[in-house]
Amino acid sequence: DSGVTQTPKHLITATGQRVTLRCSPRSGDLSVYWYQQSLDQGLQFLIQYYNGEERAKGNILERFSAQQFPDLHSELNLSSLELGDSALYFCASSGDRGPPYEQYFGPGTRLTVT
Amino acid sequence: AQSVTQLGSHVSVSEGALVLLRCNYSSSVPPYLFWYVQYPNQGLQLLLKYTTGATLVKGINGFEAEFKKSETSFHLTKPSAHMSDAAEYFCAVSGGGTSYGKLTFGQGTILTVHP
Repeated sequence: DSGVTQTPKHLITATGQRVTLRCSPRSGDLSVYWYQQSLDQGLQFLIQYYNGEERAKGNILERFSAQQFPDLHSELNLSSLELGDSALYFCASSGDRGPPYEQYFGPGTRLTVT
Repeated sequence: AQSVTQLGSHVSVSEGALVLLRCNYSSSVPPYLFWYVQYPNQGLQLLLKYTTGATLVKGINGFEAEFKKSETSFHLTKPSAHMSDAAEYFCAVSGGGTSYGKLTFGQGTILTVHP
């Protein structure tokens, strides 16, 4: 158990809909990262938040957005969903004791868009 | 920009045999390198990491990796495979500046262990 929790575990929704994925980092970790894992793209970094502020951005679509709240949990919002958004979405967290900032991954949310 | 190439999407070994999973990286700054393992329907678990210093890094479950700057490689090895090692393995790199947090992953190698 990494200490990172993600809800829900599975999500099935239709094209055009909007969903919210939730992540709670390990106790004390200030950074949260979101990754997408799909068969064709592999594991892709989406976005990083540090103590409530966006720190780094990767291959995140404009239809996707994220935020980190004062209690440090984070949410990833996916809107206008397309079939190609079906994937496993991971959240990871890390502390701030200096690089390389080991990342601890949650169990993931499997999103299926039908 | 950083990138990772894992040679071989599938590796099959017999129980007790040597495990060798290959990883080559590209980075414009001194890299931090990682190996993660993913068991079916689970998240990624950190096996080991290279930061600076000793180039031979030991990790959990008997795995180790050697950082070779001249070859830009970070291959993962285990002397004797166990059935429980069957999983997918990912090599990843992160770098300096604002890229510290971003992990760039290879495409993964599925390890199969035969009895």
